[in-house]
Parts: sequence; C-alpha cells; structure tokens
Amino acid sequence: DQQVKQNSPSLSVQEGRISILNCDYTNSMFDYFLWYKKYPAEGPTFLISISSIKDKNEDGRFTVFLNKSAKHLSLHIVPSQPGDSAVYFCAVLSGNTGKLIFGQGTTLQVKP
Amino acid sequence: KAGVTQTPRYLIKTRGQQVTLSCSPISGHRSVSWYQQTPGQGLQFLFEYFSETQRNKGNFPGRFSGRQFSNSRSEMNVSTLELGDSALYLCASSAIGGRLDYTFGSGTRLTVV
Repeated sequence: DQQVKQNSPSLSVQEGRISILNCDYTNSMFDYFLWYKKYPAEGPTFLISISSIKDKNEDGRFTVFLNKSAKHLSLHIVPSQPGDSAVYFCAVLSGNTGKLIFGQGTTLQVKP
Repeated sequence: KAGVTQTPRYLIKTRGQQVTLSCSPISGHRSVSWYQQTPGQGLQFLFEYFSETQRNKGNFPGRFSGRQFSNSRSEMNVSTLELGDSALYLCASSAIGGRLDYTFGSGTRLTVV
C-alpha cells in the first residue's frame, strides 16, 4: 500500500513559468516532508523540506506548501529553468521509525 | 568530505545467480538505508541498518538481505536473482537516521538477464 503518492508521472512547462508538483500521503503522523531532485545515473539530492508544524517553506525559487487537512503537499518552482528538468520525488520522514518513504516521482521537463 | 560511495556502478547477472552490492557511508554516519528504484514504482525502501543492526525493513522477499560492518559500511545481497530485480539500487547514509541529513550515493545499476 503506497503511503506517498505522486499521481502525475510527468509535467511539461515553458521556461519562466511556474512548475507545480503534487504529492499526497496517507499517514498524519509523519514529522517531515521532503522533496528530492534526481538526474539520470545520479542519486537523489535534497531540495527542500517542511516540518509538519508549518504550512509553507521557501528557499529561493522553490516553495513547498503543506495542507495537513488534505494530506497534500506541493512544490512550486518559479521561474522554471531548463536545468530544473529532472525527476522530482516527494518523501516523508517519521522521526520515530527513522524511515524515509518516497513517492513514485514526477518527471519535469522545462522547455526553453 | 567524501560522499556516499556505492560499488560497483553497473552489474549484469543471470537469473538464479546472487549478487552483493556495497555502500560506504559518509564518515561518521552510522545509519545506512537501501532503496530499489524501478520505473513507475519510485524509490522503494528495502531496509535500514544502524550500528550493525537492522532497524527497519520494507516489504521485500527474504531473497533480499543486508548487513552492516563495524565501520558502518553496508552490503546488500540478493539471492536467486529474477528478471524483475533489474533496477537501480541506491543507498543513503545519515548520522543517526530520522533526521534531515540523508545523502544518497549514485547507485548500482543491476541488470538481470
């Protein structure tokens, strides 16, 4: 049973526009929510995170929003750049178990 | 400091064989987690080792096993390989686990033919 779901396998946006990647989770007990970015033949790299006690965290062009009532988080990239083209994974972290659980990933393509 | 090192980078094995993958964590990190990445399934958690003990386990058959040594290096073993085991295997190290300091290696690409 998938605890973290990314229902959009792919997303294509124009350079300069906003990219919005979505993620849903099932367990309200998770402590942290994270986004990772992955290029082919490389391991995922940490992008941004948000604590369960917050609803927004911003880092430069990247903003993560958390809607606890809907068990939904999203990553906004503004403005999108061609170098942002990669697979984006959302993940949840339970401080109690120490497990980092990932979604299926969304492939973002930013067109010049 | 040196990152997470996984060896080998690429591996081709035949069905029925077994394989051992290695992961050297960042110096000082005591937690090592293993993940399997396949198209459409994302990163699926295999297991986590901390101080030579398996602390967490995912939903994989017993053919998948692992261990951790006193220097925190970890190995993952898959026995009786099946075609469906073809995947990118990633390990991540963390100081103690359960924090935001997970760092991934580049993975081992396993192809079973």
